[in-house]
Amino acid sequence: DADVTQTPRNRITKTGKRIMLECSQTKGHDRMYWYRQDPGLGLRLIYYSFDVKDINKGEISDGYSVSRQAQAKFSLSPESAIPNQTALYFCATSDLSGEKLFFGSGTQLSVL
Amino acid sequence: GENVEQHPSTLSVQEGDSAVIKCTYSDSASNYFPWYKQELGKRPQLIIDIRSNVGEKKDQRIAVTLNKTAKHFSLHITETQPEDSAVYFCAATIHGQNFVFGPGTRLSVLP
Repeated sequence: DADVTQTPRNRITKTGKRIMLECSQTKGHDRMYWYRQDPGLGLRLIYYSFDVKDINKGEISDGYSVSRQAQAKFSLSPESAIPNQTALYFCATSDLSGEKLFFGSGTQLSVL
Repeated sequence: GENVEQHPSTLSVQEGDSAVIKCTYSDSASNYFPWYKQELGKRPQLIIDIRSNVGEKKDQRIAVTLNKTAKHFSLHITETQPEDSAVYFCAATIHGQNFVFGPGTRLSVLP
């Protein structure tokens, strides 16, 4: 089945380290998104991309960077990991309607 | 920009009872309102949605109602079952633009 895959599922890192969260999809969707989930705050948009040459900041982009390597790949990097970036991160895709989001299985990031 | 509030933050019901979750939005231009369900340890998944030209939509035991004048919409689950236990997120958007999600409601269905 076409899916959205995130790697790694869990990552523990230290303050100041540079890491990368990766997302790949086999749905053939052009639109890809990175969300952050914190208890009581819902899902907040970090960055989104409507095609390979299009990258846009979301609600909480400060401290993060992204790369759209191909239609199927969208990666997220905390620029220099800090403890308040500890959260559950979801990648998502949608077709051109932008209506239905398909989420990956999530990456739990812990910054010590 | 859009702001979405969601209540209650937690909800416990007895199996077989109904559950109602309410959301309000701030941008009167929003015209698409989806609901996502996230089971423990799993990814959010769309369960139902409604567009602004419709007042109510049903799908088996779940339904969503929309009041555009008051800028609020609600999720109704009837005859709740243990598998309905999850976190539910509402969202609002102008069609084709990015979603703004509510903070979520943790529903527990007690046997």
